[in-house]
Amino acid sequence: AQRVTQPEKLLSVFKGAPVELKCNYSYSGSPELFWYVQYSRQRLQLLLRHISRESIKGFTADLNKGETSFHLKKPFAQEEDSAMYYCALSGRGSSGDKLTFGTGTRLAVRP
Amino acid sequence: DTGVSQDPRHKITKRGQNVTFRCDPISEHNRLYWYRQTLGQGPEFLTYFQNEAQLEKSRLLSDRFSAERPKGSFSTLEIQRTEQGDSAMYLCASSPGTGEQPQHFGDGTRLSIL
Repeated sequence: AQRVTQPEKLLSVFKGAPVELKCNYSYSGSPELFWYVQYSRQRLQLLLRHISRESIKGFTADLNKGETSFHLKKPFAQEEDSAMYYCALSGRGSSGDKLTFGTGTRLAVRP
Repeated sequence: DTGVSQDPRHKITKRGQNVTFRCDPISEHNRLYWYRQTLGQGPEFLTYFQNEAQLEKSRLLSDRFSAERPKGSFSTLEIQRTEQGDSAMYLCASSPGTGEQPQHFGDGTRLSIL
């Protein structure tokens, strides 16, 4: 069974502080991991995916298969980063690439 | 292209009524997905289509739920005899279905059961 765990419902930091949003997963095969973000009054949108190995808006995430984690990091938080962040998993080769989401972490960046 | 479009944005109905939602995917996206999101939870997979074929359904999709994608373009999700527990945000997503392309989401339809 696929499972994604985001242990923090809310993460509050000051502007300029480092940010780490935690994500752990459970999957028996070879997973593909994503971070989706939802800004206020906007639709869910892809932030980054582990196979791209990109840095988007200063965020990075590294897949750690040993710890089954895919934590999202940013060295210096900005107020515009305040949003809801969802970690998601798709089983490679599984039918349809359906996504399994975590419960989300709300990031609040204070001025 | 305006992305994935869902209609209506909000639906309020009485318990026991039937409701139908529509999703228009991004043009030429072969795969279309339905998810449901309740308060405090992440989206949960309901079902998906590859063109017009419905290839997988979640256990969450009771027999009161039916989804169609008759011409491989737009899709409808119908809920019959609605119950209080059906109150949720219903999200639609689409992807090209080729290679490893991510899913693009619509704004969702928020269903409220009185």
